[in-house]
Amino acid sequence: QQPVQSPQAVILREGEDAVINCSSSKALYSVHWYRQKHGEAPVFLMILLKGGEQKGHEKISASFNEKKQQSSLYLTASQLSYSGTYFCGTEMGGGSQGNLIFGKGTKLSVKP
Amino acid sequence: DGGITQSPKYLFRKEGQNVTLSCEQNLNHDAMYWYRQDPGQGLRLIYYSQIVNDFQKGDIAEGYSVSREKKESFPLTVTSAQKNPTAFYLCASSIDPWTGRGETQYFGPGTRLLVL
Repeated sequence: QQPVQSPQAVILREGEDAVINCSSSKALYSVHWYRQKHGEAPVFLMILLKGGEQKGHEKISASFNEKKQQSSLYLTASQLSYSGTYFCGTEMGGGSQGNLIFGKGTKLSVKP
Repeated sequence: DGGITQSPKYLFRKEGQNVTLSCEQNLNHDAMYWYRQDPGQGLRLIYYSQIVNDFQKGDIAEGYSVSREKKESFPLTVTSAQKNPTAFYLCASSIDPWTGRGETQYFGPGTRLLVL
């Protein structure tokens, strides 16, 4: 049930773009994206809901393909502050309201 | 300011000892969660509570116990039965998941537990 994230790690230069993917084998109600700096709490970035609604940061974009149970996070014109580990948390359809299952994370490093 | 607090930031446990991690929130959230994070493993759910005086086991509840006597508080006890407790523990909360489906979880700063 754990979603699969890809890539596991990515290194960018400032200003470059990146895409992080999250894929589930189960039907999803929503996908939640977080960024975590080392030793700190995960910080909420965005939610994508079944039906197309999105909530989150204006400067971050993401997509949710309900048919394929896949979500992608798009980081454009990367900044040094974007470095960290990105997690997707998936909320299943059915009776698991509120519970998220997290992927193993994608480590993003942005170099000057 | 509203938020989630966890204490202590670092906690050391001796063999055979039970230790309790504190989690408090003033966001008026109904649901609270405990996660364990190991390197390269992501976040794994230990216990969750959607209402006072009720809680449910998550994926890795063995060796842990919780209570939810107040809406604001959800302490986690790591018992001596948990043989590998060294990890980063994160508490989270969200509004009532039954009426607020699709709302996110907000995390506290975490407690790092180390075994002596």
